[in-house]
Amino acid sequence: QQQVKQSPQSLIVQKGGISIINCAYENTAFDYFPWYQQFPGKGPALLIAIRPDVSEKKEGRFTISFNKSAKQFSLHIMDSQPGDSATYFCAAGPNQGGKLIFGQGTELSVKP
Amino acid sequence: GAGVSQSPRYKVAKRGQDVALRCDPISGHVSLFWYQQALGQGPEFLTYFQNEAQLDKSGLPSDRFFAERPEGSVSTLKIQRTQQEDSAVYLCASSSGGGDNSPLHFGNGTRLTVT
Repeated sequence: QQQVKQSPQSLIVQKGGISIINCAYENTAFDYFPWYQQFPGKGPALLIAIRPDVSEKKEGRFTISFNKSAKQFSLHIMDSQPGDSATYFCAAGPNQGGKLIFGQGTELSVKP
Repeated sequence: GAGVSQSPRYKVAKRGQDVALRCDPISGHVSLFWYQQALGQGPEFLTYFQNEAQLDKSGLPSDRFFAERPEGSVSTLKIQRTQQEDSAVYLCASSSGGGDNSPLHFGNGTRLTVT
């Protein structure tokens, strides 16, 4: 009930390509779905987040797609850049400022 | 403004020693969370404070783990009689509260190595 499953575990993309990371959740009480970006030696930093009342949210090169019936959501990074190379975590929780359950992470490498 | 500050950044402890990890949240943030992040894994919830009240400690792995936030600001995570499996990065996060206030802001963590 509390798990958030993330895939793939690692991803290699060419510069300019599209990076896609997928997550699935179980608890229908979750109402807030953020994506965090983490660089080595740093804490996770919020990238973009969505609520289940919308199916898509776009901020610059980053887009979240949300499928409430399937209990799945995904992160798309358009025009991927080497500076995007980091570990990405999806998460889910009951609200924006509350307890989050994190996925296992995806290590993204963008090759020049 | 200043973000979430954690100290020390690195801590090496011999098995059986006690350690104390400090978190200074963003000023005015009501909610404070501790997470444990094992190598190559996502952060796992340990405990949650709203002001000085510890409202959820369901993630603490054993009674060797203890957290406090006596004045509703700085928090300390204490681990007694450390074991090798305690080796991880301990992350602190704060927010201005539940609902639509603000997202979680994380510190850079304390990397604990138990030898």
